[in-house]
Amino acid sequence: GAVVSQHPSRVICKSGTSVKIECRSLDFQATTMFWYRQFPKQSLMLMATSNEGSKATYEQGVEKDKFLINHASLTLSTLTVTSAHPEDSSFYICSASPGNEQFFGPGTRLTVL
Amino acid sequence: AQSVTQLGSHVSVSEGALVLLRCNYSSSVPPYLFWYVQYPNQGLQLLLKYTSAATLVKGINGFEAEFKKSETSFHLTKPSAHMSDAAEYFCAVSAGGGNTPLVFGKGTRLSVIA
Repeated sequence: GAVVSQHPSRVICKSGTSVKIECRSLDFQATTMFWYRQFPKQSLMLMATSNEGSKATYEQGVEKDKFLINHASLTLSTLTVTSAHPEDSSFYICSASPGNEQFFGPGTRLTVL
Repeated sequence: AQSVTQLGSHVSVSEGALVLLRCNYSSSVPPYLFWYVQYPNQGLQLLLKYTSAATLVKGINGFEAEFKKSETSFHLTKPSAHMSDAAEYFCAVSAGGGNTPLVFGKGTRLSVIA
């Protein structure tokens, strides 16, 4: 149990376009979901925390108008990278929590050309 | 505030040798501590976690870690390295349960030499 999926696993887009990444908890309800970003050969940095039905809480330095997070249900959170630029290329990982532990998705590799 | 320091960005061991990956933490509240493993282009897999119960924590794949409050450490060990252990390892700290975000160390890449 406790499986978290992400879709897509890889996406390549042109500069200026928007990309949506989905994070789903498949077998549990996630009261809280987290979005992390990982640059090549670096650690994971928390971008934002989202609770179902409320606005996401963004970390300092993360542009909320650029990285739109929607946690519309207890099993789905989406991250939309708006007007993507090459510097947004990264590995995006979500995690979901039913309350006692975080379970990580497999990640989404975003490449912006 | 919380932080994690992983000593050594790259550790190389021979197959069958002891694995020791170091992690020191800083936390203003009693910490929850975690070790995760990441294989290339994949997400994170939880190896083990400390949540204020036993100080010696046993995890999957033969790994274990010992919480030492006096040293603010949570080093990861495995008696005998296997080729399949080659991966990136992250130590993380949080202030509470699953609804609290994790603060990760910079990671240690483990190489296993045949």
